[in-house]
Amino acid sequence: EAQVTQNPRYLITVTGKKLTVTCSQNMNHEYMSWYRQDPGLGLRQIYYSMNVEVTDKGDVPEGYKVSRKEKRNFPLILESPSPNQTSLYFCASSLSAESGANVLTFGAGSRLTVL
Amino acid sequence: DQQVKQNSPSLSVQEGRISILNCDYTNSMFDYFLWYKKYPAEGPTFLISISSIKDKNEDGRFTVFLNKSAKHLSLHIVPSQPGDSAVYFCAASDPGTASKLTFGTGTRLQVTL
Repeated sequence: EAQVTQNPRYLITVTGKKLTVTCSQNMNHEYMSWYRQDPGLGLRQIYYSMNVEVTDKGDVPEGYKVSRKEKRNFPLILESPSPNQTSLYFCASSLSAESGANVLTFGAGSRLTVL
Repeated sequence: DQQVKQNSPSLSVQEGRISILNCDYTNSMFDYFLWYKKYPAEGPTFLISISSIKDKNEDGRFTVFLNKSAKHLSLHIVPSQPGDSAVYFCAASDPGTASKLTFGTGTRLQVTL
């Protein structure tokens, strides 16, 4: 089944404890992206990747890192999480980086709470 | 600055009636618009899209209308069904921003029996 898989789905952690949210897609998609969803703010892009080894900042990149060493994986790293990073995170992918027809396929989401 | 706005946080419609979800945008560079549907504990799923060169696109019970002069689009669901109850996000893309989708804040649709 074609899908985007995120792990963990739920996580409670403490301020400053490094964590990684993994994202993997099995559709051979070039483009991958991370979004966070917060009440009243919709989905905001954190980082995106046009292809392997090509990543760039989205609208809210502060406090996050990403890497794209393989086409299928795009982990989101929080080096020193803070309470304002408590959110619902979505990984998404699409076939190519061309605008217009960029229909994203989303993972099921990872709910992160930072105490 | 919210470039894509969904001013109605929620909407309740009776089963069988029409649901109309609205979306306004400010960026005239947006050239493609999409609607996503989200159920609880799931990721958003693509529903329907429209290019800026069109003013209407239909897919079964779902129709999206685009009014470029007003920078407004709407999603019509006819007839509404209980399974349509979900959060609907409007999204837009700008050809100059590497495929980024800019999302609205979402509208929660409740279809009642």
